[in-house]
Amino acid sequence: NAGVTQTPKFRVLKTGQSMTLLCAQDMNHEYMYWYRQDPGMGLRLIHYSVGEGTTAKGEVPDGYNVSRLKKQNFLLGLESAAPSQTSVYFCASSFLAGASTDTQYFGPGTRLTVL
Amino acid sequence: GNSVTQMEGPVTLSEEAFLTINCTYTATGYPSLFWYVQYPGEGLQLLLKATKADDKGSNKGFEATYRKETTSFHLEKGSVQVSDSAVYFCALSPRNSGNTPLVFGKGTRLSVIA
Repeated sequence: NAGVTQTPKFRVLKTGQSMTLLCAQDMNHEYMYWYRQDPGMGLRLIHYSVGEGTTAKGEVPDGYNVSRLKKQNFLLGLESAAPSQTSVYFCASSFLAGASTDTQYFGPGTRLTVL
Repeated sequence: GNSVTQMEGPVTLSEEAFLTINCTYTATGYPSLFWYVQYPGEGLQLLLKATKADDKGSNKGFEATYRKETTSFHLEKGSVQVSDSAVYFCALSPRNSGNTPLVFGKGTRLSVIA
């Protein structure tokens, strides 16, 4: 099993450009998440999905959109990138978020710089 | 609401020193508690967890005990190694939370020097 994979690993954008980050998991997990990690801020949840075709907002959703057309994939889009979106982005998945013992599995991260 | 507070880092220790990273939480009811670790350049991975009061989670020499009376889940290790250098995150999962994701603390960076 590859677990959770993220594409790309690094990206540099100019302000106003758009891009899509891809997350894929091969564990048949129902739940998937996108976080951003900034120095001193820990992990902040952007959006998440509780199953194919569903999405929900997290703590910091503004400026991002997501889609979950297939169970194994969760896409994070930036329509018009801003320097404030410079961050490391992590995708995660879990079998059942509602199960209080559930473990989240994380991808290796995407380092995005917006100039 | 639900929240997690961790001691601020960075924490710098010599090899074989004793480690404590404090974590306290606020939650409705009795959540499950987790410690995740992030090694340099990698994503987070589960280190240990505890699902009810007085449970002790343990892994790789690390331990944490779920203390309901003090709403704490402090991480400890008796003798740290250079390879333990990482960022450690405390997290909670609200019980009967439905679709509520994990709530993470801000992380504590540990550096172990030889």
